[in-house]
Amino acid sequence: AQKVTQAQTEISVVEKEDVTLDCVYETRDTTYYLFWYKQPPSGELVFLIRRNSFDEQNEISGRYSWNFQKSTSSFNFTITASQVVDSAVYFCALSEARGAGKSTFGDGTTLTVKP
Amino acid sequence: AAGVIQSPRHLIKEKRETATLKCYPIPRHDTVYWYQQGPGQDPQFLISFYEKMQSDKGSIPDRFSAQQFSDYHSELNMSSLELGDSALYFCASGQGKRSGELFFGEGSRLTVL
Repeated sequence: AQKVTQAQTEISVVEKEDVTLDCVYETRDTTYYLFWYKQPPSGELVFLIRRNSFDEQNEISGRYSWNFQKSTSSFNFTITASQVVDSAVYFCALSEARGAGKSTFGDGTTLTVKP
Repeated sequence: AAGVIQSPRHLIKEKRETATLKCYPIPRHDTVYWYQQGPGQDPQFLISFYEKMQSDKGSIPDRFSAQQFSDYHSELNMSSLELGDSALYFCASGQGKRSGELFFGEGSRLTVL
C-alpha cells in the first residue's frame, strides 16, 4: 500500500524567509508519480509539480524548488523568499502506475507567511 | 486550455436529501476520479472510472453511487445525506487507465444542514 507522510502539520514564517516542506512516501511500485498541490483558503487544488520515479533531477520554478531523493523516499518542496500569498495548505501526493492511477495524499502542511 | 469542470460549485442540502454532483473531464481524457475532502482533512479517494467502467473503489459509502457516461462526464449521486457528508468534492481527470497524472477541478462544496 502506498503512504505519504507530511510530518509538519503547520509552519509559520515571516515574509522573505525560505521554507522547506517535507514529504516522505512509501510504495512497493517501481514506477510512481509524486505531486505537490497548493490549496489556498478558497479551496481549489492548484497543481504545482509532477515528478515520475525515474526522474530524480531537481527542479526549480521561480521561487519554488523540489528535491527528489529516491534513496530516502523524500520529495521536499522549498519556497525561497516566501510571500504572504504563499499562505496555504500544501499537499504532497503519490500515485502508482500499477494501480488505477489514483493519488494518495499526505495530511497536508499549513503554511502561514506573516508580513 | 480547458480544465476539469465541476458543477455545482456550491450546494446546500438538508439531512436525508439527495444530491448529484457533475464532472466534465478535460477533452480526450477517459478517466475520472472522485475525491472527498472533509474540513481540515486531506482528499480521500472515493471511486474512479476508465472508459465508462468502474476502475477502482475507495472509501465510498454505500449511499453514494457514481457513473461515467458515454461523453465521459461523470456524476456522483449521494442519497440519505448526513451531516458528515459536508465536504469539498473534487473530480479529477486523466488520460489512460494508469497515467498517474491527475488534473483536478475546482471542487464542489456540499453543505448538509
